[in-house]
Amino acid sequence: NAGVMQNPRHLVRRRGQEARLRCSPMKGHSHVYWYRQLPEEGLKFMVYLQKENIIDESGMPKERFSAEFPKEGPSILRIQQVVRGDSAAYFCASSRDRGRDEKLFFGSGTQLSVL
Amino acid sequence: KQEVTQIPAALSVPEGENLVLNCSFTDSAIYNLQWFRQDPGKGLTSLLLIQSSQREQTSGRLNASLDKSSGRSTLYIAASQPGDSATYLCAAGFDYKLSFGAGTTVTVRA
Repeated sequence: NAGVMQNPRHLVRRRGQEARLRCSPMKGHSHVYWYRQLPEEGLKFMVYLQKENIIDESGMPKERFSAEFPKEGPSILRIQQVVRGDSAAYFCASSRDRGRDEKLFFGSGTQLSVL
Repeated sequence: KQEVTQIPAALSVPEGENLVLNCSFTDSAIYNLQWFRQDPGKGLTSLLLIQSSQREQTSGRLNASLDKSSGRSTLYIAASQPGDSATYLCAAGFDYKLSFGAGTTVTVRA
């Protein structure tokens, strides 16, 4: 019963390149959340998705960032034309349902470094 | 906007000592308060979840209290061990969204 799987664990990109981060939720979970952790800061909510739907993307920058959770396959967080300020740890979490006290299960994160 | 603060930012104690980690939040309209453990290079592990109607939760050597009216939560770890060394994060939950503090990094010296 694998947990939330994120890959790659580490991603190095040069400025202007694209970064694609993948997240496979726990089995039976259809709700996915992405959080970003900047150095010395707490995790910040980015986006909440259900299968094929974006429910809340209020924490995601309007430009260059996009997220999807297709019917088949993992959720993808895509960052176009990366800049140094995008360097951070990106965590994905999943839950079975959306409820008042639904527990979130987090993956190990992807550390993005922009050169 | 919810602001979550954790004090102290770092803590070093000898093995066997009890740990007290503090968390404060500005908006008392929360669904729950959660404590996580984060190890270097690894994800977050959920430790305790306190519902807004509850005052505390316990799991083994861990006990977390919640005072919504004052916007505070405290995590107690009894008889600390070197294996407790990690960063501890608190998060205020509202619906599906968690607002995290920056964490307290704990070192337990053998």
